[in-house]
Amino acid sequence: AAGVIQSPRHLIKEKRETATLKCYPIPRHDTVYWYQQGPGQDPQFLISFYEKMQSDKGSIPDRFSAQQFSDYHSELNMSSLELGDSALYFCASSLAGVYNEQFFGPGTRLTVL
Amino acid sequence: QQQVKQSPQSLIVQKGGIPIINCAYENTAFDYFPWYQQFPGKGPALLIAIRPDVSEKKEGRFTISFNKSAKQFSLHIMDSQPGDSATYFCAASIIPGSARQLTFGSGTQLTVLP
Repeated sequence: AAGVIQSPRHLIKEKRETATLKCYPIPRHDTVYWYQQGPGQDPQFLISFYEKMQSDKGSIPDRFSAQQFSDYHSELNMSSLELGDSALYFCASSLAGVYNEQFFGPGTRLTVL
Repeated sequence: QQQVKQSPQSLIVQKGGIPIINCAYENTAFDYFPWYQQFPGKGPALLIAIRPDVSEKKEGRFTISFNKSAKQFSLHIMDSQPGDSATYFCAASIIPGSARQLTFGSGTQLTVLP
């Protein structure tokens, strides 16, 4: 079965650079979520999109922005990177519905030097 | 401030043992409580989930017990195996807008010894 695809899997950037993370949801899933997981931490909700519209925002810094495109893939854009942005970034997708499961991708490991 | 408190932080059991992981929450608006299993370098994967109108749910070797009045829920793993060694996250969820948002506990690193 198709899973959530994230690219790149690993990314190394310098401080103050920008990064773009991509997420391709499971086909026919209309909702995408982004989570950030620091080392040894639990995943923290950043932002979600439903039918290409932003639906909710969590603890996403103003330096970050995201969008969902017409083909439902999503991109997380991160600017002015800081050392503290080093983390695993997960994308999850689901079908809209009250109790529909969120399926997580393998994550992108971002390292900021 | 952790909205979902999880304990213990780590747990070591022998093969065949029954590890129990506990979670507590404060926000009574939470209406869905999933448990996720995560292996190193992988994304979390849903194990089992429960709604607050049910006190217990069992799927295979995994059981969730839910106590709505105490705002607590727990995961029991029956006949644990070394392959169950992973990090387990409880989560609680609401739909503040049009999409469900997961709030995770801090995680429990489970080691099952052969």
